[in-house]
Amino acid sequence: AQSVAQPEDQVNVAEGNPLTVKCTYSVSGNPYLFWYVQYPNRGLQFLLKYITGDNLVKGSYGFEAEFNKSQTSFHLKKPSALVSDSALYFCAVRDEGGTASKLTFGTGTRLQVTL
Amino acid sequence: DTAVSQTPKYLVTQMGNDKSIKCEQNLGHDTMYWYKQDSKKFLKIMFSYNNKELIINETVPNRFSPKSPDKAHLNLHINSLELGDSAVYFCASSRTLLDRFQQYFGPGTRLTVT
Repeated sequence: AQSVAQPEDQVNVAEGNPLTVKCTYSVSGNPYLFWYVQYPNRGLQFLLKYITGDNLVKGSYGFEAEFNKSQTSFHLKKPSALVSDSALYFCAVRDEGGTASKLTFGTGTRLQVTL
Repeated sequence: DTAVSQTPKYLVTQMGNDKSIKCEQNLGHDTMYWYKQDSKKFLKIMFSYNNKELIINETVPNRFSPKSPDKAHLNLHINSLELGDSAVYFCASSRTLLDRFQQYFGPGTRLTVT
């Protein structure tokens, strides 16, 4: 069974500092990995995905994520945080399992960026 | 233009009632989903439809019945509502069932059962 772990419930960072939101995964085959962001009272918005190829994936709003197969991790990063980045971030994994595979989400990490 | 829309946005009802939530996507996608997000923000898939055909049906009580009249719509009907059904329900769509495509989410419907 596939799973995703986000070990931190909350990450606090000062504006202008780099941020990292951690994610590790477990799948039986090759993973398809995603990051989504949820702003208050809104639906999830897609940030970026890793399917294959370059381990460093660039996404929306200046976010990027690094796929590390040996550590089974897919941490979300941004060089310089903004207050407007404050939101709930979800990592998700989908097993390369054909047409009926489902997307499994982590429990979410709340990012709080302060001035 | 809203890509994935849901109605209503808020739904407050009493135990035992039957209610429906509607979802529409104007992206031309083949696949649609229903997710439930509980009070701890845990997000779990309930159903997936592809071209009006049920593909994924997680262990959801049969009081929950999705209906897809066409591939742009996926409605969720809930019978005999219980307190534990209180949650935010998200509809989503993706281009196809293939794993590599991201999903687009609606704004959510906050269901409160009293």
